[in-house]
Amino acid sequence: GAVVSQHPSRVICKSGTSVKIECRSLDFQATTMFWYRQFPKQSLMLMATSNEGSKATYEQGVEKDKFLINHASLTLSTLTVTSAHPEDSSFYICSATGGGTYNEQFFGPGTRLTVL
Amino acid sequence: GEDVEQSLFLSVREGDSSVINCTYTDSSSTYLYWYKQEPGAGLQLLTYIFSNMDMKQDQRLTVLLNKKDKHLSLRIADTQTGDSAIYFCAEYGSGNTGKLIFGQGTTLQVKP
Repeated sequence: GAVVSQHPSRVICKSGTSVKIECRSLDFQATTMFWYRQFPKQSLMLMATSNEGSKATYEQGVEKDKFLINHASLTLSTLTVTSAHPEDSSFYICSATGGGTYNEQFFGPGTRLTVL
Repeated sequence: GEDVEQSLFLSVREGDSSVINCTYTDSSSTYLYWYKQEPGAGLQLLTYIFSNMDMKQDQRLTVLLNKKDKHLSLRIADTQTGDSAIYFCAEYGSGNTGKLIFGQGTTLQVKP
C-alpha cells in the first residue's frame, strides 16, 4: 500500500513552454502533498506544501507564479512549470502523507525535466 | 535553525557492515526516518525510529538513536551491491508544519 505515482517520468520541452507534472496517491487519500526539487548530487529542496482544496504554501524564494500548484482532490496534485527555461531543468519529486502509520511521507518516483 | 547533517560519502566492500551517521538539531520530532534513493528514482522509506527508542532492528538494518547527543545512525549488515544508493536521514521540523528536514544524503558505494 501507500503508493505515489508521478507522470510523466521524463519530459523534454522547449524554452518558453509550460509543463505539467501530476502526482497521484494510488491507494490512499493524501491529506497533504509536497513538491520537491533536487539538483544533481544534492538533497531535496522543498518547494511547496499543498492541501486539497486550498492554496499551496510556497517556501521562501520559490515563485508561485512560476510553479503553479493545484491540489484538486485528495489523490491528485499537479505542478505546472510555466514559461520554462533551461535553469528550471531539474528532478522534481512529490510526496504525500496520509497513508502511513508513522506519519511518514511516501514519495513518487520523480520527474526529470529538461528544458532546451 | 533546524538542521540535519550527514557525511557525504561512504565506501565499503561487499559483505562488510556500513554505518551511516546523522546529527540533528530539533529534538521535538516524534519519529526519525531513513530514506534510500537509487539513481534516477524517488525516495523509498527504509525504516524509522520512534524518538523514545534507543535502537531498532529490522533484518539487516539497525538504527541507533542517541537523543542526548542528537545522533542517529543506520547500520547495514552484510552490505550488498544492491545497497549502493544515497541514504537520507530526516525528521520533522518544529511547529507541526509537516515539513521534513533532510540531511544532505550519504552516497554509499559498495565494492565487489
